[in-house]
Amino acid sequence: GQNIDQPTEMTATEGAIVQINCTYQTSGFNGLFWYQQHAGEAPTFLSYNVLDGLEEKGRFSSFLSRSKGYSYLLLKELQMKDSASYLCAVGGRGDYKLSFGAGTTVTVRA
Amino acid sequence: GAVVSQHPSRVICKSGTSVKIECRSLDFQATTMFWYRQFPKQSLMLMATSNEGSKATYEQGVEKDKFLINHASLTLSTLTVTSAHPEDSSFYICSASDGAPKETQYFGPGTRLLVL
Repeated sequence: GQNIDQPTEMTATEGAIVQINCTYQTSGFNGLFWYQQHAGEAPTFLSYNVLDGLEEKGRFSSFLSRSKGYSYLLLKELQMKDSASYLCAVGGRGDYKLSFGAGTTVTVRA
Repeated sequence: GAVVSQHPSRVICKSGTSVKIECRSLDFQATTMFWYRQFPKQSLMLMATSNEGSKATYEQGVEKDKFLINHASLTLSTLTVTSAHPEDSSFYICSASDGAPKETQYFGPGTRLLVL
């Protein structure tokens, strides 16, 4: 089975940094994905990690430790438009399916 | 690249009617497409996996006779909600996978279905 945990909500100030943690216990692993979803819209792809370490992409970075079943998404220089739900998803092995966490709602305040 | 379209974006229908939702990968071929539904403030729930030229694989608890899926080509999958009822009202989202090695799923914009 799949068990993916992430915090429900986080609040931060514009210009600050926020780190969203995700822990997972899955029967197979073929990569960890982060998606951003604004209210009423479909998710958009942010990042993909399959090897341990940090992947940086502009203001967003994602980290993976496979041995610990742990990932985080780091959002730097927060902007109001970053207010959204962030979904952690784990890819299975060979079947292309993703198992999603419940999502973390990030609210950026001025 | 990796654009997925979905049509219609919003539909309101009467109870008992059927509704068809189309999902297209616009700039890549997707051997696998996925259909999800999402209730307000909840995460995505996978309904079925759709493979081109073969029958869809449904997740446990999803009625295959109610949610008909047809993956007609490498760029088109359709979901038909048959005999819709108010409890079927939801946000339906499709995604298409770009295959190996990353198997990233790219999502369509979603279809909001309201059954009266």
